[in-house]
Amino acid sequence: GAGVSQSPSNKVTEKGKDVELRCDPISGHTALYWYRQRLGQGLEFLIYFQGNSAPDKSGLPSDRFSAERTGESVSTLTIQRTQQEDSAVYLCASSFDSTGGYTFGSGTRLTVV
Amino acid sequence: DAKTTQPNSMESNEEEPVHLPCNHSTISGTDYIHWYRQLPSQGPEYVIHGLTSNVNNRMASLAIAEDRKSSTLILHRATLRDAAVYYCIISGGYNKLIFGAGTRLAVHP
Repeated sequence: GAGVSQSPSNKVTEKGKDVELRCDPISGHTALYWYRQRLGQGLEFLIYFQGNSAPDKSGLPSDRFSAERTGESVSTLTIQRTQQEDSAVYLCASSFDSTGGYTFGSGTRLTVV
Repeated sequence: DAKTTQPNSMESNEEEPVHLPCNHSTISGTDYIHWYRQLPSQGPEYVIHGLTSNVNNRMASLAIAEDRKSSTLILHRATLRDAAVYYCIISGGYNKLIFGAGTRLAVHP
């Protein structure tokens, strides 16, 4: 596609439930990044993929968070046993290589009630 | 990752040039300088990036100091649509971008 696509755009879930957030990067972009942005805050780096490997997972806040990427394409961010503090916009970005600019998706707004 | 320092906020009038400064004194030789902006309720948008030489594109210009310890994003004619938070970021390993607080630019009619 022409841009980075994220789904769902909005997700409301009950505390304690698991959620999966999906990112479809731009075709051919080998690098993929997940960020989180809480309301009124800056962007927090979560994880970086190069191809299907994740050499940098340093931003994942706890073991409830995991991510995978398959086919050097789609990535899924999974949050288990969601907590209210997980409420945020989760943003995915992709990049052609390790030096270029990112293209961000529109994000998934997650609300944990 | 190299740290950046930007003013918290700046103001401009419509159709005037805007110079957004950024200090990055700990930048290393292979680090790129990136600028992104985030409009209200949207994801960040790539503006420009460079390594050593000044860069121009349809959105802006990037002026990089000779010692690379600072850079300036130049919007040649500000419009109301340019009101956003502008982030100056030095990429570390894996082109990883760590976003700081950025500069909130207000544009007045």
